[in-house]
Amino acid sequence: GIQVEQSPPDLILQEGANSTLRCNFSDSVNNLQWFHQNPWGQLINLFYIPSGTKQNGRLSATTVATERYSLLYISSSQTTDSGVYFCAVRTGFQKLVFGTGTRLLVSP
Amino acid sequence: KAGVTQTPRYLIKTRGQQVTLSCSPISGHRSVSWYQQTPGQGLQFLFEYFSETQRNKGNFPGRFSGRQFSNSRSEMNVSTLELGDSALYLCASSLGPGTGELFFGEGSRLTVL
Repeated sequence: GIQVEQSPPDLILQEGANSTLRCNFSDSVNNLQWFHQNPWGQLINLFYIPSGTKQNGRLSATTVATERYSLLYISSSQTTDSGVYFCAVRTGFQKLVFGTGTRLLVSP
Repeated sequence: KAGVTQTPRYLIKTRGQQVTLSCSPISGHRSVSWYQQTPGQGLQFLFEYFSETQRNKGNFPGRFSGRQFSNSRSEMNVSTLELGDSALYLCASSLGPGTGELFFGEGSRLTVL
């Protein structure tokens, strides 16, 4: 099945810093989503981005489908950005496969 | 509009018991999928339902089962609970199977003692 790798596994930032999270996948996909898991466990949708670039406030994402990777950019990070960020992909009508996540800690 | 609703949010069971979890999808969404999250295994796919039919199944034992009703609401059942079944169970809904954006509920946190 499709493999999804995320890097880095852990990231510690000072408030105000910028960061880039990466997601590599092993096959072509028709669905790629980025999620932020809050402390209570809920997966919050950040982007649905099987290809191209999108922006939402301080967050933006780019997926280069032909090269099988996606990037999530967080600018001017805030303590509320802390948590785990997941990339998830789907190919065809198959299941959504999650990466192992990037754990982000933003300190004041 | 209302999001994906999962009940119960928290529950504690003992080994050998069974548990039923419920998921109500976003209005108009007809596909429901279930995921198990544990610290050791991460987020693992359990199954997906569309039009009351199971469309996909993950690699879980037969103790894990599910169903979907005509109103798209879904339930999953775990029988003969084991300690390793302690996990966060997440439900997601989407417009159709294998397509479009998935939206997740807040999860049901199961502890097996």
